[in-house]
Amino acid sequence: EPEVTQTPSHQVTQMGQEVILRCVPISNHLYFYWYRQILGQKVEFLVSFYNNEISEKSEIFDDQFSVERPDGSNFTLKIRSTKLEDSAMYFCASGNRGGGQPQHFGDGTRLSIL
Amino acid sequence: AQSVTQPDIHITVSEGASLELRCNYSYGATPYLFWYVQSPGQGLQLLLKYFSGDTLVQGIKGFEAEFKRSQSSFNLRKPSVHWSDAAEYFCAVGGYGGSQGNLIFGKGTKLSVKP
Repeated sequence: EPEVTQTPSHQVTQMGQEVILRCVPISNHLYFYWYRQILGQKVEFLVSFYNNEISEKSEIFDDQFSVERPDGSNFTLKIRSTKLEDSAMYFCASGNRGGGQPQHFGDGTRLSIL
Repeated sequence: AQSVTQPDIHITVSEGASLELRCNYSYGATPYLFWYVQSPGQGLQLLLKYFSGDTLVQGIKGFEAEFKRSQSSFNLRKPSVHWSDAAEYFCAVGGYGGSQGNLIFGKGTKLSVKP
């Protein structure tokens, strides 16, 4: 069964540093997403991406965040200047039907900001 | 405001017993409803979804869910639980701003299965 893969599985970064989380969505999917889950809290939507542009973003996704699909396979989330409160599990997801609800999630990257 | 409530934080059932996980939502329009399952250390897997039509939807792994508009509920059921079903289950509602990707999740229900 095809999978969404995310790297690294765990990222430790100093506060204020830039971090890039990487994702390889399922190859024939057209809709891509990032979600995050702060420990003990709900999974929260960050951003959706379709046709090489952001289609929707949440209030969490401020100017510190950006997404990119640099080639035909990778989908990245960049946080420019990390804050302690960015510590969370970040999930990439992809979908390919109708409006493209996320059908497959990756196993996540645990981001720890020190 | 849109929200999803899963009133049970943790449920324990015996293997072979039936299961019902509750989900209530608040949403301004016709919702798109989803159930996901998360095993420890892994991502979310879509179990089933409701967009329209038959209010009883079948999913993978023998799960089903019923949409009840009058009760704003979308409860997940399985007639006979297997030990491998132990995981955390998340209900979600989508369609905010017309986007089906912007899902609002509940806090999850952790399912434990005893032999």
